Amino acid sequence: AQKITQTQPGMFVQEKEAVTLDCTYDTSDPSYGLFWYKQPSSGEMIFLIYQGSYDQQNATEGRYSLNFQKARKSANLVISASQLGDSAMYFCAMREDTGRRALTFGSGTRLQVQP
Amino acid sequence: SAVISQKPSRDICQRGTSLTIQCQVDSQVTMMFWYRQQPGQSLTLIATANQGSEATYESGFVIDKFPISRPNLTFSTLTVSNMSPEDSSIYLCSARQRLSTDTQYFGPGTRLTVL
Repeated sequence: AQKITQTQPGMFVQEKEAVTLDCTYDTSDPSYGLFWYKQPSSGEMIFLIYQGSYDQQNATEGRYSLNFQKARKSANLVISASQLGDSAMYFCAMREDTGRRALTFGSGTRLQVQP
Repeated sequence: SAVISQKPSRDICQRGTSLTIQCQVDSQVTMMFWYRQQPGQSLTLIATANQGSEATYESGFVIDKFPISRPNLTFSTLTVSNMSPEDSSIYLCSARQRLSTDTQYFGPGTRLTVL
């Protein structure tokens, strides 16, 4: 079964506008972590933001925020005030805190910011 | 934070040969992982590199094809053996400083092309 689902293969956003990238997950583990990474065309994986399953508040890091809805098992990434440099692939990932504790990745969303 | 370097950054290899990729972390880490990213795809976990013992492989990956070493807490190698064009991918090393923590870092990746 797919554990991380990103339903938007591609998204467009105008510069300076906000955009939401969707991510839903599936786990029976009560303790887990959710991650978002950015992958520009250079191929590096850039860590953006993290949300723990027990965190009461939504995580924020600068222009990035994570809209965590635990009951719905969703962890959407919100990018405010988009910049041209935000154009990249974005991956959602989950770490379950039992078992191998490795990250499982979604299929990714390609974001293109238009001037 | 942890800074991860990989060598080589890219290589073009002939079918049937082997390539060893090195991963160096600038601080001691608890967990190290190797991922593969096939063209246009998401990241797939190959194995967890265990310090001083055999790596733990994911379904579909075997030690004979992807032998891994981890002699200490900062270094690991992945060998891609008896290569075929289907092995053409980006191979990424990843590390986490503690079992459950809010950040997992990635190296810059090794772009492998097999002719």
